[in-house]
Amino acid sequence: GENVEQHPSTLSVQEGDSAVIKCTYSDSASNYFPWYKQELGKRPQLIIDIRSNVGEKKDQRIAVTLNKTAKHFSLHITETQPEDSAVYFCAASTSWGKFQFGAGTQVVVTP
Amino acid sequence: NAGVTQTPKFQVLKTGQSMTLQCAQDMNHEYMSWYRQDPGMGLRLIHYSVGAGITDQGEVPNGYNVSRSTTEDFPLRLLSAAPSQTSVYFCASRGRSGVYGYTFGSGTRLTVV
Repeated sequence: GENVEQHPSTLSVQEGDSAVIKCTYSDSASNYFPWYKQELGKRPQLIIDIRSNVGEKKDQRIAVTLNKTAKHFSLHITETQPEDSAVYFCAASTSWGKFQFGAGTQVVVTP
Repeated sequence: NAGVTQTPKFQVLKTGQSMTLQCAQDMNHEYMSWYRQDPGMGLRLIHYSVGAGITDQGEVPNGYNVSRSTTEDFPLRLLSAAPSQTSVYFCASRGRSGVYGYTFGSGTRLTVV
């Protein structure tokens, strides 16, 4: 089955700097890669996703890139703000298959 | 449109007790899943369903049962609670088209003593 590794497990950044979280996956059949943000005590919420026929997708300050050959994808947050502090999860799946989540990255944005 | 509704929000059980975590969605989603979340372990899939009458096991199914008699409901049953089942449980659903990502319920925090 699919295996997703996520790095780093914790990430501290100064407000205004960029943050990058990287994930690798094992199943070459995976074609859908969502990212979730989970604030303390809340449910995970989808923030951005990318499909395998696209190399990059951007939504305001967040962007995701996908390298199918290397089987890795990354989340980029620019101009970080305190409200970006949360745990971020990546996931991989086939279109109709089970989602495999990474272990999560705790992002702390310090003023 | 309430999304995904989970009940209860909090529950304390004694070892050996059984209970059912309820999950309902009003988005007509075909796919529903149950995840448990433990510190440092991410989200681990317990059971999932691709439609009414169809369920399958995830990576940590032992000690849990599910059924899907309707599109809307996907209850999770703990057969004989154990302290190792202390966790936060999330139900999630998604459709076959449009946004493929899961919509999560607000979670159930379960403690087994």
